[in-house]
Amino acid sequence: DGGITQSPKYLFRKEGQNVTLSCEQNLNHDAMYWYRQDPGQGLRLIYYSQIVNDFQKGDIAEGYSVSREKKESFPLTVTSAQKNPTAFYLCASSIGLGTSGKETQYFGPGTRLLVL
Amino acid sequence: EDQVTQSPEALRLQEGESSSLNCSYTVSGLRGLFWYRQDPGKGPEFLFTLYSAGEEKEKERLKATLTKKESFLHITAPKPEDSATYLCAVWGQKLVFGQGTRLTINP
Repeated sequence: DGGITQSPKYLFRKEGQNVTLSCEQNLNHDAMYWYRQDPGQGLRLIYYSQIVNDFQKGDIAEGYSVSREKKESFPLTVTSAQKNPTAFYLCASSIGLGTSGKETQYFGPGTRLLVL
Repeated sequence: EDQVTQSPEALRLQEGESSSLNCSYTVSGLRGLFWYRQDPGKGPEFLFTLYSAGEEKEKERLKATLTKKESFLHITAPKPEDSATYLCAVWGQKLVFGQGTRLTINP
């Protein structure tokens, strides 16, 4: 079955701690994305990557970091600099970016991050 | 700046009671409009992509339509399993999501 997996489903962060959220896809998609979802708000883009070893900041990148060492994987690290990290984090992928018909994004099941 | 507004924020219907959800947008150069369904605690599930005004797409009880200013998601004779939050997103210079419409279908 092709799809996007995210782990863990729930993650608890202590103050001052960095935590990493995993995102893996076996759809052979080039582009991958990280979003943050807060109650009553639309999804907000944190980072995106069009190809391996390249990524771009989204609208709310401060306090987050990513890497794209493999096509299949796009982990997100929530650093201690992110002062309000409690949210539902969603990873997505698309065939490509900016080309009609290839930009539809497919989402993973999400990771809920809570602060202890 | 590209903007998306969905209305209503929440809608409660009886089973079989048809209705429509609205997605109004302002975007410089629409390249696509997307509809997703999201169940509580889960990731959004892709429903439709619309590319140009006048385009329509259907899937079971759902039909999405597009004009130059808005899109509608029509739900015909809904069932309780159609209860979810429906998200709209527009692709102009970047993908912008609306805040969603929470739909509840009572049996």
